[in-house]
Amino acid sequence: ETGVTQSPTHLIKTRGQQVTLRCSSQSGHNTVSWYQQALGQGPQFIFQYYREEENGRGNFPPRFSGLQFPNYSSELNVNALELDDSALYLCASSRGTSHSYNEQFFGPGTRLTVL
Amino acid sequence: GDSVTQMEGPVTLSEEAFLTINCTYTATGYPSLFWYVQYPGEGLQLLLKATKADDKGSNKGFEATYRKETTSFHLEKGSVQVSDSAVYFCALSDTDTGNQFYFGTGTSLTVIP
Repeated sequence: ETGVTQSPTHLIKTRGQQVTLRCSSQSGHNTVSWYQQALGQGPQFIFQYYREEENGRGNFPPRFSGLQFPNYSSELNVNALELDDSALYLCASSRGTSHSYNEQFFGPGTRLTVL
Repeated sequence: GDSVTQMEGPVTLSEEAFLTINCTYTATGYPSLFWYVQYPGEGLQLLLKATKADDKGSNKGFEATYRKETTSFHLEKGSVQVSDSAVYFCALSDTDTGNQFYFGTGTSLTVIP
């Protein structure tokens, strides 16, 4: 069983640029959640996708957007990058529906640095 | 809103010492509670969980009991090893917003031989 994978591992961008991060969910999982983890902090929920539709969003501006594909892989897009967007971005996949507990399996993350 | 408050670190212990990391929570519904561990350079791994009051989660010698009366989920281990050195995160998933996990800020643990 393949775990959650993310690409790229590291990324360096400059302010104002746009970035796309990718996540492949674990086999059999239909739900993907994205988190931002700033240095020394806990992960903060960005949004979740269930069966290709957004299924909940945290307190992040609209320049953070996402997609989920028919194979349940997902992308996180961030426009107009700001210095504070520098963080580790984590993807987690799970199986099931909304409004129920489902264990989330995390990928290793993408380290984004904005200069 | 929902939140998790975690004991601040860093924590440094000698091998075989007793470990407690405190975690308290605020939730509007009926949360499930979790402890995740993050080893250097790796993603988060689920350590243990409890889905209802008085449940005890356990794994790899770690334990935590879901205490609704004190809204707590403290992590304990009787005898830590060097390999337990990592960052530990307490988290909750609320039935009202079952698709969202709330994490604490993390507690860094270093175990010295």
